[in-house]
Amino acid sequence: DAGVIQSPRHEVTEMGQEVTLRCKPISGHDYLFWYRQTMMRGLELLIYFNNNVPIDDSGMPEDRFSAKMPNASFSTLKIQPSEPRDSAVYFCASSSRGQGDTEAFFGQGTRLTVV
Amino acid sequence: KNQVEQSPQSLIILEGKNCTLQCNYTVSPFSNLRWYKQDTGRGPVSLTIMTFSENTKSNGRYTATLDADTKQSSLHITASQLSDSASYICVVNFGNEKLTFGTGTRLTIIP
Repeated sequence: DAGVIQSPRHEVTEMGQEVTLRCKPISGHDYLFWYRQTMMRGLELLIYFNNNVPIDDSGMPEDRFSAKMPNASFSTLKIQPSEPRDSAVYFCASSSRGQGDTEAFFGQGTRLTVV
Repeated sequence: KNQVEQSPQSLIILEGKNCTLQCNYTVSPFSNLRWYKQDTGRGPVSLTIMTFSENTKSNGRYTATLDADTKQSSLHITASQLSDSASYICVVNFGNEKLTFGTGTRLTIIP
């Protein structure tokens, strides 16, 4: 398996524009997680899905953020409108069980810069 | 206050030397504690996982220890190599399906 695949690797956009980040989890993994990483706050869980259903989105910072998982092999994280403070690295991860029980495998991340 | 704090924030050592990274947590017991290694530009990769009842766990040159009395975990790296340069993140599962991440230690190995 190629692991968790994220695209794009880098994204630079202007404030106010819509940004869509994409993730393909490892085949057979039932859990998918979206994280945001900044120097100040480290890794923060935004939302996670189990069997394509959002389970906990309490980490989503505000209504500008939304995530979907239309099928077991694809998820998106959308920011609309984007703001400079959204600049961060966004990671997608997947696992075969819940967060604490088994290792989550991370993608290489999308580095987002909002100018 | 973050329930998981790591120290030092950054560390520079010579190749071949040993080093120890610290992770302090405030709540116990917990379900498990995991150490991740994150290379620059990559996602984190798990090194070790420890349950609350374990004292030590090794993975090659990496040894994690747990002291429940002081609420501290340490990651000891033996005979460091240039490839050990990375960020090391301590992650605690407090049993509520939400992991708490430390902000990491940035380790640099110089030749």
